[in-house]
Amino acid sequence: EVQLVESGGDLVQPGRSLRLSCAASGFTYDDYAMHWVRQGPGKGLEWVAGVSWNSDYIDYADSVKGRFTISRDNAKNSLYLQLSSLRAEDTALYYCAKGHSGACQRNYFDNWGQGTLVTVSS
Amino acid sequence: SYVLTQPPSVSVAPGETARITCGGINIGDYSVHWYQQKPGQAPLLVIFYDTDRPSGIPERFSGSNSGNTATLTISRVEAGDEADYFCQVWDSSSDHSYVFGPGTKVTVL
Repeated sequence: EVQLVESGGDLVQPGRSLRLSCAASGFTYDDYAMHWVRQGPGKGLEWVAGVSWNSDYIDYADSVKGRFTISRDNAKNSLYLQLSSLRAEDTALYYCAKGHSGACQRNYFDNWGQGTLVTVSS
Repeated sequence: SYVLTQPPSVSVAPGETARITCGGINIGDYSVHWYQQKPGQAPLLVIFYDTDRPSGIPERFSGSNSGNTATLTISRVEAGDEADYFCQVWDSSSDHSYVFGPGTKVTVL
């Protein structure tokens, strides 16, 4: 059974940084692309970033480009998202999602974690 | 930037058919995927590549895609189908490579 468990969410002040983690199990982690998708309170889904199976291809939404960094450690079956220069509009539940293939492009998201909450407020 | 549109809400009686549309310019040229999200839960993939169902998803869920509209159809609706439904495409030219529709709340009367 695929399991994705996010952690690291917190209440942080604007301008500060935070690192999210996602622990994966139940599948061959280094065969698949991984993504972060967020959902603001009462809002829809917004894709944030994705990384290919071997980290050769990384992509970001324009809204986070230059502020967020996605990375993965295949030896640890883990996915990370470094959030910097946080803004109030980054407040959201951040989901870790598994892509259906190893490439970062043209994925659908076939498994999701339960999310970790990031609140940006002074 | 590619934009997807969905009706905010759809209401349907138990046993009837719910149709949830996802509009986009020439969306028929894209692969459309659909997710179900119940309150307090993570999204769940219910349709991929326009028409395919993941294992474990009932046959009551089906999809189609042509022209400027993709459609998720839920036949013989049950109370447990009440949820938000989101469509999604990949568009490399958008500011978000992965684009989600705004979501449709399905209410079972």
